[in-house]
Amino acid sequence: QVQLVQSGAEVKKPGASVKVSCKASGYTFTSYGINWVRQAPGQGLEWMGWISAYNGNTNYAQKVQGRVTLTTDTSTSTAYMELRSLRSDDTAVYFCARYTSTTAFLDSWGQGTLVTVSS
Amino acid sequence: DIVMTQTPLSLSVAPGQAASISCKSSQSLLHTDGKTYLYWYLQKPGQSPQLLIYEVSSRFSGVPDRFSGSGSRTDFTLKISRVEAEDVGVYYCMQGIHRDTFGQGTKLEIK
Repeated sequence: QVQLVQSGAEVKKPGASVKVSCKASGYTFTSYGINWVRQAPGQGLEWMGWISAYNGNTNYAQKVQGRVTLTTDTSTSTAYMELRSLRSDDTAVYFCARYTSTTAFLDSWGQGTLVTVSS
Repeated sequence: DIVMTQTPLSLSVAPGQAASISCKSSQSLLHTDGKTYLYWYLQKPGQSPQLLIYEVSSRFSGVPDRFSGSGSRTDFTLKISRVEAEDVGVYYCMQGIHRDTFGQGTKLEIK
């Protein structure tokens, strides 16, 4: 079955960077994309960006563009989200989700990774 | 960015009763390919979101038929015909036509 397993919780200081991983299994990794969505404590969902696991094409939300980089390692079927220059309002649970280009929906989600930014 | 506006932000429904959530987008979600890129997700307490409805009205695999979606262009509705206890959580609409954005979420609780 399709599974997305994310790396563990992180605590970072303001100004630092964080890199969250999302390991996929149960499907052909390069046939889908990966979206990243975050959720601040008690808040709603915020789309951060998308990467094609086929060719590495990306698309980022304006709010985080310039601070976020999405990458994939097809040899390990793993997607990565790196966020730089962290601020306190980046504290959130970060989710990866499989993206189906033909229908543009997010059909499988990772368990989420809590990133806490605090001095 | 396309703004998605949901109403109400919360609702309390007795088991077996119907529930309805509205979602309005600031731009048409009808693409030139003929598809309308509007989705509904449910986030149950303590869980990751799960897909309910795609392209306005298509139920995702395994989603009970008490869930239905309707609408066009900028106005959309999710209906639950007979609410069950397992339906509690926060419902989000999402547009996928350009740089995905979510609605604020609608919290459903059972009376």
